[in-house]
Amino acid sequence: DVKVTQSSRYLVKRTGEKVFLECVQDMDHENMFWYRQDPGLGLRLIYFSYDVKMKEKGDIPEGYSVSREKKERFSLILESASTNQTSMYLCASSLRARTEAFFGQGTRLTVV
Amino acid sequence: GEDVEQSLFLSVREGDSSVINCTYTDSSSTYLYWYKQEPGAGLQLLTYIFSNMDMKQDQRLTVLLNKKDKHLSLRIADTQTGDSAIYFCAELLMDSSYKLIFGSGTRLLVRP
Repeated sequence: DVKVTQSSRYLVKRTGEKVFLECVQDMDHENMFWYRQDPGLGLRLIYFSYDVKMKEKGDIPEGYSVSREKKERFSLILESASTNQTSMYLCASSLRARTEAFFGQGTRLTVV
Repeated sequence: GEDVEQSLFLSVREGDSSVINCTYTDSSSTYLYWYKQEPGAGLQLLTYIFSNMDMKQDQRLTVLLNKKDKHLSLRIADTQTGDSAIYFCAELLMDSSYKLIFGSGTRLLVRP
């Protein structure tokens, strides 16, 4: 079974804090993704990575950065958290040539 | 540009069929997906269809693809209360980005 694990289910952070969301997959997938999910907006791609140390901006990268130092781990960083970054964050991974993306259980982040 | 649209809500009686519709815009899509999200959980892949197919059946699920109209539908036969969830349509872009573009999700409510 493919497993994508996000380090926290729920997080509460203060405005201006630096926040790290961690994601680990155990299936040697090349591609990893970070999405945020907001009501009525579906899933929007923040960043993705197709290899170690490689990253590409998605549709809404502003206010975020990412790190992929190891193949199995993809970190999303909020440099200075703001209240409009309160959301559900979903990590996913997929094989380069395959099509199916596997998702983690999500991290619900609240910025106060 | 890339866009995937779905209606936001569908309510059906238990035992009836449910049909969830989706339209997409990008002609370079090759794979189209249906994901299910139960409350508090990540996304689970239900089924997918390749763009050279017009129908795929998998037990209670039937996917229909009208490539000319860029219209995708998911039919759930004999809908059960356990099918209550949010259903996301997604397209895989086969340009250089290999991005997954999601719709906003359709919330299916199954009434007893």
